[in-house]
Amino acid sequence: DAKTTQPTSMDCAEGRAANLPCNHSTISGNEYVYWYRQIHSQGPQYIIHGLKNNETNEMASLIITEDRKSSTLILPHATLRDTAVYYCIVRVEETSGSRLTFGEGTQLTVNP
Amino acid sequence: SQTIHQWPATLVQPVGSPLSLECTVEGTSNPNLYWYRQAAGRGLQLLFYSVGIGQISSEVPQNLSASRPQDRQFILSSKKLLLSDSGFYLCAWSLSIPGGNQPQHFGDGTRLSIL
Repeated sequence: DAKTTQPTSMDCAEGRAANLPCNHSTISGNEYVYWYRQIHSQGPQYIIHGLKNNETNEMASLIITEDRKSSTLILPHATLRDTAVYYCIVRVEETSGSRLTFGEGTQLTVNP
Repeated sequence: SQTIHQWPATLVQPVGSPLSLECTVEGTSNPNLYWYRQAAGRGLQLLFYSVGIGQISSEVPQNLSASRPQDRQFILSSKKLLLSDSGFYLCAWSLSIPGGNQPQHFGDGTRLSIL
């Protein structure tokens, strides 16, 4: 799986948009971009994933650059409960037995 | 909707004792199931995965074993725990759909401390 680079930490004001960047310059054509987050002492939570097109769901939006070498996860209106470590993962289409490899992630702190 | 349950949430065990962690999934059939371990401040390590009843694949040689006695039940076991077995154990599931591209969904984990 391609390696990803994320900032170690970010801060965001409550109610504002949180934009979390991820670089994946070695991504291959068949690799998807996945985002998970992990709140302290809980299991990772799936947020969103995409291949080429921008994606949006009830939790977040995923913006993937045209060359696919970077992406941004957007939480449109951050709340205190969004404070967590956010992981960007690039991997091939999941098949049975495929593992998830989490890097260091970005510690997002939402401040009141 | 699908849900995943893991228990217990926390466990303290002496070295050399046996282990049994259980994970069940509801709301889906024939899911792919996974056991991961997360050491403090580190990423996830895949331990076992299963694509069906009685089908277990091991990723890392160790003194742990896994079993899938029922379609939506996944059990992690050990006969004799080591200090190095301490960690945060996570069960996950994903839909088993031809062509893949299904995200994995995690339980709340079991925090295991070996004394």
